[in-house]
Amino acid sequence: SQQGEEDPQALSIQEGENATMNCSYKTSINNLQWYRQNSGRGLVHLILIRSNEREKHSGRLRVTLDTSKKSSSLLITASRAADTASYFCASTGAGSYQLTFGKGTKLSVIP
Amino acid sequence: DAGVIQSPRHEVTEMGQEVTLRCKPISGHDYLFWYRQTMMRGLELLIYFNNNVPIDDSGMPEDRFSAKMPNASFSTLKIQPSEPRDSAVYFCASSPQGSNTGELFFGEGSRLTVL
Repeated sequence: SQQGEEDPQALSIQEGENATMNCSYKTSINNLQWYRQNSGRGLVHLILIRSNEREKHSGRLRVTLDTSKKSSSLLITASRAADTASYFCASTGAGSYQLTFGKGTKLSVIP
Repeated sequence: DAGVIQSPRHEVTEMGQEVTLRCKPISGHDYLFWYRQTMMRGLELLIYFNNNVPIDDSGMPEDRFSAKMPNASFSTLKIQPSEPRDSAVYFCASSPQGSNTGELFFGEGSRLTVL
């Protein structure tokens, strides 16, 4: 299975702190994506990093990809209470259109 | 654009009943995906369509599940007969290029409870 695994499963931080979530996957990928899901809502795409990229930024988000370790990390800087959500990594294997999701990290940002 | 629209948002039914979930993808998106989310198994891809044609249905758990896409603006996921273990949130997502190259746009989901 291509399924990614996020670490930690749950994370609680104070507002203003940085949050780091990690993702590992099993086989070669075309790209890796991160999504956010607020409670009771659908998933929202945050950022996509391709297999030939090592780092990508979008606002307060920073994503890194290490294909040799088959891992990625999502850093949210200067967290806000509104960042409270579950965060999922998802990847596609070579030649595949199937986006496989991990089980997510539940982030709680305490005001 | 209104985004991906799913209905119903909540469905409670009794075991053995037929359940039909509906999805309207974003106009112009060629790919449509059905996912199921549970606490135990996370997000599972059930089936996806390209230009209304089912491409991969290997994730469909059993013959009780069927999905159709009669046109570019409508898809259904049907469960007949439903069982308590089918209780989950079912998401529809669409993509203009397929998830191999781009992001998926998700609906708000249909929460199914089978008693």
